[in-house]
Amino acid sequence: GESVGLHLPTLSVQEGDNSIINCAYSNSASDYFIWYKQESGKGPQFIIDIRSNMDKRQGQRVTVLLNKTVKHLSLQIAATQPGDSAVYFCAENAGNNRKLIWGLGTSLAVNP
Amino acid sequence: DAGVIQSPRHEVTEMGQEVTLRCKPISGHDYLFWYRQTMMRGLELLIYFNNNVPIDDSGMPEDRFSAKMPNASFSTLKIQPSEPRDSAVYFCASSRSQGGDEKLFFGSGTQLSVL
Repeated sequence: GESVGLHLPTLSVQEGDNSIINCAYSNSASDYFIWYKQESGKGPQFIIDIRSNMDKRQGQRVTVLLNKTVKHLSLQIAATQPGDSAVYFCAENAGNNRKLIWGLGTSLAVNP
Repeated sequence: DAGVIQSPRHEVTEMGQEVTLRCKPISGHDYLFWYRQTMMRGLELLIYFNNNVPIDDSGMPEDRFSAKMPNASFSTLKIQPSEPRDSAVYFCASSRSQGGDEKLFFGSGTQLSVL
């Protein structure tokens, strides 16, 4: 999950296993959630998003789950590959503006 | 589409110098964002524009920072004078309002080092 501070939480998985990255969001009024992947030396790249009227959304090898009761968001990556190694950020939007609130990220390391 | 284009890719300057970072958003996108990323503070939104108009600049740290968007295809972030604590990666991102799409598309960033 997310944490405040200098050290990113790290998830280490074996190639081929499924990965689950968790995120606790802060605002119960948030109605839009989004996951980004950031590889070293690159900008964040969109993975998948979900609105609060849904509790699950699937993409290619990725699934986002939203539990509004406990304000929890997760990203599941199926059959994790070495190319999935990156820092993953969740973000939320609570207002009718474009200001996303970002988590500090989780580092995913895929072992061959 | 070429994506969001930022320049320079790397900038090394001395304290007190003026720094100008540049961004070309994706064509057709009407929102533009400037972010700063550090290990200590993560991703921070500095300012964002809609249709070339600044909407929220509450994240701009000080008067030393300024941003402009003279037209739909160009924006600058200027730091004058620069200080060592401004060292960070600065990202520009754009998005479109069509269909309620809120996805941000980020550039590759400018790595700024102020000595």
